[in-house]
Amino acid sequence: DIQMTQSPSSLSASVGDRVTITCRARQSISTYLNWYQQKPGRAPKVLIYGASSLEGGVPSRFSGNGSGTDFTLTISSLQHEDFATYYCQQSYTTPRTFGQGTKVEVK
Amino acid sequence: EVQLVESGGGLVQPGGSLKLSCAASGFRFSDSAMHWVRQASGKGLEWVAFIRSKAKNYATVYAASVQGRFTISRDDSNNMVYLQMNSLKIEDTAVYYCTRPIGPANYFDPWGQGTLVTVSS
Repeated sequence: DIQMTQSPSSLSASVGDRVTITCRARQSISTYLNWYQQKPGRAPKVLIYGASSLEGGVPSRFSGNGSGTDFTLTISSLQHEDFATYYCQQSYTTPRTFGQGTKVEVK
Repeated sequence: EVQLVESGGGLVQPGGSLKLSCAASGFRFSDSAMHWVRQASGKGLEWVAFIRSKAKNYATVYAASVQGRFTISRDDSNNMVYLQMNSLKIEDTAVYYCTRPIGPANYFDPWGQGTLVTVSS
């Protein structure tokens, strides 16, 4: 199994802050890395796929980068609606594996 | 509109069985693989199982944690995917989501609303 490790596990930030979340794969996954946002009581929603492609309808303040084993999700200017938990997921092989999540909280 | 709707969750005793269903609409279901992902309360996402299309012989893959206890299946004529869960354990308690992979990147979209399975005596 390919272990996915996110950091940090949580962070506190203010509206307008630039936020970066890191995801590391135990082995190379090329660009088969996806990012999801999940709000309490709701299903996850895809933000970024293929490491850097923005899903339709997702605000451009979200961006993804990386290849191989190291990836980042950046929110350029945090908005109220962005306080949520973010997960990375590799789709390179089965079993599909997720990072443990990063909770973005209000500072 | 692509939609996935899960059902069948509930309370079951340890060692018991439960069958989850997921109704799909708005896309060519028979051509799509389908996945189940679960989430225990307050915890992260855990991939459970997937089933490929008829063109790929309905091949299935399971997480080690459910291998031998869970069975994923599909009914292409009714656009349904199922998860038969046997020998349930307390640690199987979770919200179960069905979802489909999209495009070359195989990302999951959409997800259903989830169905809660509680394993407790």
